[in-house]
Amino acid sequence: QSALTQPRSVSGSPGQSVTISCTGTSSDVGGYNSVSWYRQHPGKAPKLMIYDVSKRPSGVPDRFSGSKSGNTASLTISGLQADDEADYYCCSYAGRYTHYVFGTGTEVTVL
Amino acid sequence: QVQLVESGGGVVQPGGSLRLSCSASGFTFSTYGMHWLRQAPGKEPQWVAFIRYDSSDKYYANSVQGRFTISRDNSKNTLDLQMNSLRVEDTAVYFCAKEGTPVTNFASWGQGALVTVSA
Repeated sequence: QSALTQPRSVSGSPGQSVTISCTGTSSDVGGYNSVSWYRQHPGKAPKLMIYDVSKRPSGVPDRFSGSKSGNTASLTISGLQADDEADYYCCSYAGRYTHYVFGTGTEVTVL
Repeated sequence: QVQLVESGGGVVQPGGSLRLSCSASGFTFSTYGMHWLRQAPGKEPQWVAFIRYDSSDKYYANSVQGRFTISRDNSKNTLDLQMNSLRVEDTAVYFCAKEGTPVTNFASWGQGALVTVSA
């Protein structure tokens, strides 16, 4: 199972919005509404930011939003802040044999 | 709050064995499924294994099937990963994670334990 495809990097100024894409196949992203997004600061553990495509866990600000169309999911960060500078990974459930597949990761830079 | 603390990482030669443990607190451990994931340097995370809350089901990634064994002790709030026949490509930071609600996400992660397989 290949990793989901994400852009290597995106950047934006404070207050702006950025969107990260996550492209898979009909066997993962397109086949299930079980896409999640994780933020990872250097040397730290990943943190769940979005689950089930567009739902936010308690404590995650509404600046973070998710969506999906076909085999591509997206994460949008609005009102970019310095602390948003990190690596972001998407993840999709991929059925009973592969189980879970992660994206290649996107480095978000706040200019 | 949920706290997950991994231990047992270290350096091991190819073909060797290592056992990781994860100590859980801050939630009712016996009612949640648990995962192990790993992340090689500079790479994306990779799902490794899952165990249901009551140990009734266990699932493994193809890359570790037959070499790794996941287990848990609900009386001690601990999760283990026995790793045998280790390969250089198993080198990674290993994380334990609590399943989310719904279950198809990784709601909380430990800080990770580094496993290095090298001659």
